[in-house]
Amino acid sequence: GQNIDQPTEMTATEGAIVQINCTYQTSGFNGLFWYQQHAGEAPTFLSYNVLDGLEEKGRFSSFLSRSKGYSYLLLKELQMKDSASYLCAVMDSNYQLIWGAGTKLIIKP
Amino acid sequence: IAGITQAPTSQILAAGRRMTLRCTQDMRHNAMYWYRQDLGLGLRLIHYSNTAGTTGKGEVPDGYSVSRANTDDFPLTLASAVPSQTSVYFCASSDASGQGANEQFFGPGTRLTVL
Repeated sequence: GQNIDQPTEMTATEGAIVQINCTYQTSGFNGLFWYQQHAGEAPTFLSYNVLDGLEEKGRFSSFLSRSKGYSYLLLKELQMKDSASYLCAVMDSNYQLIWGAGTKLIIKP
Repeated sequence: IAGITQAPTSQILAAGRRMTLRCTQDMRHNAMYWYRQDLGLGLRLIHYSNTAGTTGKGEVPDGYSVSRANTDDFPLTLASAVPSQTSVYFCASSDASGQGANEQFFGPGTRLTVL
């Protein structure tokens, strides 16, 4: 079966750095996506990785290791507005997205 | 219209009633999707459409139907609602040209309660 695993909840301090991990087992791989979802709102796109390595975009970076079935999202200089759920999703061999349950990130002052 | 709109925003429905959730996009995306999101679970694909005139079944299609008469609209119908269909429903679209990220853009969601 297909499976995406990520921690249910994490807590971090404003101004700090946090790493949210995602491991996956899917039938085929056509890229990995990270989305941000604030409570009561729609998911919004953060990043896409299809090759191994680190993609940096401002305060957010995403890393992929295809051989390990592993990705992480790194958030630097945390701000209160970063409190949200972070969703990991893998595009499978049918070009459909398989979604993890999301990691709720709580930022404390 | 800018992006994707969904209607209604929320709805309380009696079990056994028929309901259509509406979704419209103005980005001329060829692919559209319907997901449901339940607490503790990831987004689950109900139905999708790769292009106008075609539809396909996702992970949880039972009890739902869709149509794609044109590029912009992708309505989701519950023929006879049941309480297990209580959920938040998101419509999404993507360019799906096979090049680049092809990220999906989401509508604001419809919160449906079936009693």
